[in-house]
Amino acid sequence: DTEVTQTPKHLVMGMTNKKSLKCEQHMGHRAMYWYKQKAKKPPELMFVYSYEKLSINESVPSRFSPECPNSSLLNLHLHALQPEDSALYLCASSQATGNMNTEAFFGQGTRLTVV
Amino acid sequence: AQKITQTQPGMFVQEKEAVTLDCTYDTSDPSYGLFWYKQPSSGEMIFLIYQGSYDQQNATEGRYSLNFQKARKSANLVISASQLGDSAMYFCAMREGSSFSGGSYIPTFGRGTSLIVHP
Repeated sequence: DTEVTQTPKHLVMGMTNKKSLKCEQHMGHRAMYWYKQKAKKPPELMFVYSYEKLSINESVPSRFSPECPNSSLLNLHLHALQPEDSALYLCASSQATGNMNTEAFFGQGTRLTVV
Repeated sequence: AQKITQTQPGMFVQEKEAVTLDCTYDTSDPSYGLFWYKQPSSGEMIFLIYQGSYDQQNATEGRYSLNFQKARKSANLVISASQLGDSAMYFCAMREGSSFSGGSYIPTFGRGTSLIVHP
């Protein structure tokens, strides 16, 4: 099983809503990532979890709140988002080996629209 | 300066022909790795091929090969015998030894090349 599963696939939310994006993998990977990708742009790293601990936060606004409840799950809690936050949100996972050639596996993403 | 440059915003190729997608990189780190990912319209980033800076031979994976020219700092992706399913965005990415942070080597992505395969 080499899948990273993200739910929901599509999400439309208002600026006052609270919602969560979910990511799940069962490959035994101990590094998990959230990326944000705008149309026709490369992915931008938001957060990295290593062994369920937040190791990197790329100066992401506090309206995005990540959570890693266990080694298989990664959540991204959303609150008071702005229309410019509309994007594809990608989750990825990899072995936390510290090797440069470690392949990252990506989910299909959640297409988020903020209205 | 951009670390990864993909100069072709869009490329077209006839089915069954070969196509080369360009990628140049900029690093002073002697240890680095280069990746290519494919992103179809469904959104998932699919790993295609990896080349390490110390690898002596060019990487190959099925119909994908990486034309690694270290002195020129280029890592072009060659897709042989193109198929309609190859139509997608292709991203070149680099991990440098100096990019190690929080237990991971953080990749830098290029802007991508959109490939369209014509029947």
